[in-house]
Amino acid sequence: GAGVSQSPSNKVTEKGKDVELRCDPISGHTALYWYRQSLGQGLEFLIYFQGNSAPDKSGLPSDRFSAERTGGSVSTLTIQRTQQEDSAVYLCASSLRYTSYEQYFGPGTRLTVT
Amino acid sequence: TQLLEQSPQFLSIQEGENLTVYCNSSSVFSSLQWYRQEPGEGPVLLVTVVTGGEVKKLKRLTFQFGDARKDSSLHITAAQPGDTGLYLCAGARGAGKSTFGDGTTLTVKP
Repeated sequence: GAGVSQSPSNKVTEKGKDVELRCDPISGHTALYWYRQSLGQGLEFLIYFQGNSAPDKSGLPSDRFSAERTGGSVSTLTIQRTQQEDSAVYLCASSLRYTSYEQYFGPGTRLTVT
Repeated sequence: TQLLEQSPQFLSIQEGENLTVYCNSSSVFSSLQWYRQEPGEGPVLLVTVVTGGEVKKLKRLTFQFGDARKDSSLHITAAQPGDTGLYLCAGARGAGKSTFGDGTTLTVKP
């Protein structure tokens, strides 16, 4: 079956512009996660959803970051007034249930802020 | 605060050699996952260990969870160039969010 998909795969934007990153999880997966990864580094947790609710927003770096999920499926991560330090790969993952440990990742969106 | 520390950070070896990657923490985890990530792709799950002292084998890869469930190791026998990638461990302390280590970048030279 189809895996997690993300779009766009690459995004170059100017400092100060807003960007939207999209994630389509595996069908039937109720939990969805957003991470940020700098070059060759580990993953920084941003936010997760159980259904359409986000119980834990503690990882969002600032109030310029927001995320939503609709219909228990697609999620959008929005970064307002982008800064150069926002440049990274943004990864989305999904899991069958909130109680599942295993996460399945998409290919990521590489964001470059110039 | 880095809850999971991986070592070494970088490892470059010749094809056929053996290697071990470590994932250590002062915290107890209910489970621990190992992932492998190739450039331009997302991490791919290799294994989950949940019981203290558990050992799992996946072909030439052997994973071990420490008795106290605070640490884990990944051992690769007779490494091949196809094993090249970033190896990440992730610990879960209950459902939901996992904490990831910074990863070990492995390069296997032919």
